[in-house]
Amino acid sequence: QQPVQSPQAVILREGEDAVINCSSSKALYSVHWYRQKHGEAPVFLMILLKGGEQKGHEKISASFNEKKQQSSLYLTASQLSYSGTYFCGTAASGGSNYKLTFGKGTLLTVNP
Amino acid sequence: NAGVMQNPRHLVRRRGQEARLRCSPMKGHSHVYWYRQLPEEGLKFMVYLQKENIIDESGMPKERFSAEFPKEGPSILRIQQVVRGDSAAYFCASSPLVGVSNEQFFGPGTRLTVL
Repeated sequence: QQPVQSPQAVILREGEDAVINCSSSKALYSVHWYRQKHGEAPVFLMILLKGGEQKGHEKISASFNEKKQQSSLYLTASQLSYSGTYFCGTAASGGSNYKLTFGKGTLLTVNP
Repeated sequence: NAGVMQNPRHLVRRRGQEARLRCSPMKGHSHVYWYRQLPEEGLKFMVYLQKENIIDESGMPKERFSAEFPKEGPSILRIQQVVRGDSAAYFCASSPLVGVSNEQFFGPGTRLTVL
C-alpha cells in the first residue's frame, strides 16, 4: 500500500524551513528519501532504518518513528537548489527490503 | 565514476511496435530494479534482477512485458505490442548488494511515448 505524503505542495522563500511527512499503514523496515527535479532522475538523499538513528547532513535531516510508521524530512534554511519533488519510498517490515513503495511526492518550490 | 546509465532517453513508438529500454548499473553494482512513473505519480516497482536471474517480477504486467539482465551487457526491459497506456517514464536503479540498507541509485530514465 502506497505511503501518504503531506503536504502535497509547499512554497517557500529562500532561507525558510519546511517539513515533509510520510506515513504508512504497514510496519516499516526502512524509509528512503529522494528528490527529483523535472525530467531528471530521482536523487538519493538518505535512508532510515528500523532501530536506526536520525540521519542528516548539513541542512537536510530526517526522522523515523517506528511505532507510528511515519517519517519526516526536515529542510532548514532552504536554498533555491532544494526545489523539486520529494518522494519517500518505504520497505515493509518482514517483507522484501529491496521492494520500495513510493508516495505520490511533495512538490517543493523555493523562491528568491 | 559513472552513475546508472539508461538509453534511449526518449523513445517514440506506434501502437503494436516493440520497445526496448536499456540500463547499465553503476560500476560494482550487481542488482537492478525497474520502476515505472506516470505523470504526477510516484514510482512503481516492476522487477528486481540480479545477473542472469529474475528475483522478483511481482510488479510486472503479466503480458507483453519482460526483463533480463544477462551475464554480459546491460539490463533490458522489453515491451511488446505497445499500447497508449504504456506511455510513461521508466527508471532503472541499481544497488551494490541487498543487505541491511539497500540504497538504490537511479538512472535518468527513458520516456516512452506511444502514438
